[in-house]
Amino acid sequence: AQTVTQSQPEMSVQEAETVTLSCTYDTSESDYYLFWYKQPPSRQMILVIRQEAYKQQNATENRFSVNFQKAAKSFSLKISDSQLGDAAMYFCAYRGFMEYGNKLVFGAGTILRVKS
Amino acid sequence: GAGVSQTPSNKVTEKGKYVELRCDPISGHTALYWYRQSLGQGPEFLIYFQGTGAADDSGLPNDRFFAVRPEGSVSTLKIQRTERGDSAVYLCASSLGSGATGEQFFGPGTRLTVL
Repeated sequence: AQTVTQSQPEMSVQEAETVTLSCTYDTSESDYYLFWYKQPPSRQMILVIRQEAYKQQNATENRFSVNFQKAAKSFSLKISDSQLGDAAMYFCAYRGFMEYGNKLVFGAGTILRVKS
Repeated sequence: GAGVSQTPSNKVTEKGKYVELRCDPISGHTALYWYRQSLGQGPEFLIYFQGTGAADDSGLPNDRFFAVRPEGSVSTLKIQRTERGDSAVYLCASSLGSGATGEQFFGPGTRLTVL
């Protein structure tokens, strides 16, 4: 079974600074997807960024980028120019490359606090 | 357009009671997922529907939990003889397809509290 581990229960960053959230995963599959979701206090899960395992290039979405190391099974999220609105719980998630279904497997989450 | 909606937003019940949680997916989305998120944890998969049928119910913890999607749209998660350990946020998600590229869109969840 696939597992996702987020070893940082809580992180803090100063506004406008950069922060990196860590994630490792375990799988025997060669093709899969990885995601970072943001969950503010409203509980609404919002997709931040996704990475296809077959792509070597790291995904980037505006201020958000990932460092995907397939051999090390590592998938970290870098947030540049942090803003107060970035404060939330962040979840790393895995999804297999099955033709059908594809449930998400989540890590335990990292609380990100942004200081003004 | 409207996103995934879930009702009620909060539900408080007593141990031993029966509860139903409702999910309205995005119109046209054929795949629907239920997840359970305990306090301080990430969501855990419960069940997945493709159309009207439950394609994967491997995450349901026991036979007190049951879910239906009779017309391939709205889904109801049913919990019988609730226990205090069932207290959690129940999240629903839908996607346009069930293939690997189908992004899952989440609702705001129902917070269930069992006293």
